Amino acid sequence: AQSVSQHNHHVILSEAASLELGCNYSYGGTVNLFWYVQYPGQHLQLLLKYFSGDPLVKGIKGFEAEFIKSKFSFNLRKPSVQWSDTAEYFCAVNAGGYQKVTFGTGTKLQVIP
Amino acid sequence: GAVVSQHPSRVICKSGTSVKIECRSLDFQATTMFWYRQFPKKSLMLMATSNEGSKATYEQGVEKDKFLINHASLTLSTLTVTSAHPEDSSFYICSAEGQTGANVLTFGAGSRLTVL
Repeated sequence: AQSVSQHNHHVILSEAASLELGCNYSYGGTVNLFWYVQYPGQHLQLLLKYFSGDPLVKGIKGFEAEFIKSKFSFNLRKPSVQWSDTAEYFCAVNAGGYQKVTFGTGTKLQVIP
Repeated sequence: GAVVSQHPSRVICKSGTSVKIECRSLDFQATTMFWYRQFPKKSLMLMATSNEGSKATYEQGVEKDKFLINHASLTLSTLTVTSAHPEDSSFYICSAEGQTGANVLTFGAGSRLTVL
């Protein structure tokens, strides 16, 4: 069965700091990988996704994630965070060929102005 | 863009009653919809996968007789919590897979259920 782990539950950063949120998954085959974001009071929305091709994926709002197959990781990064990035971030994985998408426990990011 | 509407956003009911939550894809056809339950400080737990015109596929540990799912059209799926108990109080979120590509989910805003 596929599973996803996010190691950081709560991250606090000052504006302009760099961000890296960890995500590891367990599944030996082909995977589709996602990062979703939930801003305060809003619903979950897609930040970026990886299906195939270039393992460095760029998403909205300056976010990017790198798929490292050997490490079963898909870490989310942003070089300089803004206060508006305060949100909860969820990593998700879908094992190739199956409908089910499994989510990690989420990381709450708080950016201090 | 793709929009999923979920209704009601909040519902309070008495123990023993049933509650229906609707999930609609407003501007696209959703052949597959998913129902999640979100626990505080925990992940979204997939409850079931709902395919239009067929029976829902429930995850292990989810009681199908308690959480009735119906996906009668390409734009509507419903979750009915039957004989609700206080432990069913939770945040229920639906999502739809459709327009933007395989496995890419569009989420509803969620429904907060409180059972007294």
